[in-house]
Amino acid sequence: DGGITQSPKYLFRKEGQNVTLSCEQNLNHDAMYWYRQDPGQGLRLIYYSQIVNDFQKGDIAEGYSVSREKKESFPLTVTSAQKNPTAFYLCASKSGGLPETQYFGPGTRLLVL
Amino acid sequence: DQQVKQNSPSLSVQEGRISILNCDYTNSMFDYFLWYKKYPAEGPTFLISISSIKDKNEDGRFTVFLNKSAKHLSLHIVPSQPGDSAVYFCAASARTGSQGNLIFGKGTKLSVKP
Repeated sequence: DGGITQSPKYLFRKEGQNVTLSCEQNLNHDAMYWYRQDPGQGLRLIYYSQIVNDFQKGDIAEGYSVSREKKESFPLTVTSAQKNPTAFYLCASKSGGLPETQYFGPGTRLLVL
Repeated sequence: DQQVKQNSPSLSVQEGRISILNCDYTNSMFDYFLWYKKYPAEGPTFLISISSIKDKNEDGRFTVFLNKSAKHLSLHIVPSQPGDSAVYFCAASARTGSQGNLIFGKGTKLSVKP
């Protein structure tokens, strides 16, 4: 069954703690993306990766870090530098080239204790 | 500065009638447009897209219209069903110069009443 999985579904972070959100895809897609959604807001791009071992900052990269060591995996770390981490985090992927349709995982809700 | 705008935060429609969701954009370099549907606490699901070389694309009950001169697109759902109740996001992409990244609107919450 092809798709994008994100884990965990809910994640709690304590003050000063780094947490890592997992994103895995078995669609053989080249590009992967991380978005953040806040209530009443659209999706804002945090980081993206077009190929393995390469990634680029999106619009709101401060306080986040990523890695892309494998084609299937694109984990996102929310660092203690991110002062307002409570949000719904979405991972997406798309195949290389056209069209630009991105396919999304189920999301992870991050809450701060 | 919002490049993709969905000016109606919510829309309520009776079951069986037409739902029309609107989206405006400001960047004339956008040449590919998509609509996503999202339920609470779930990821968005792709609905339908349109390239700037077309002005209409249809898929079952869903039709997207593009008016390039007005920088406006709309999603028509006919007939509307209660299961269509969700938040709908419009997204746009410029195929040259932006690596195909999507810019999303803030969404319109559609409620279809039985």
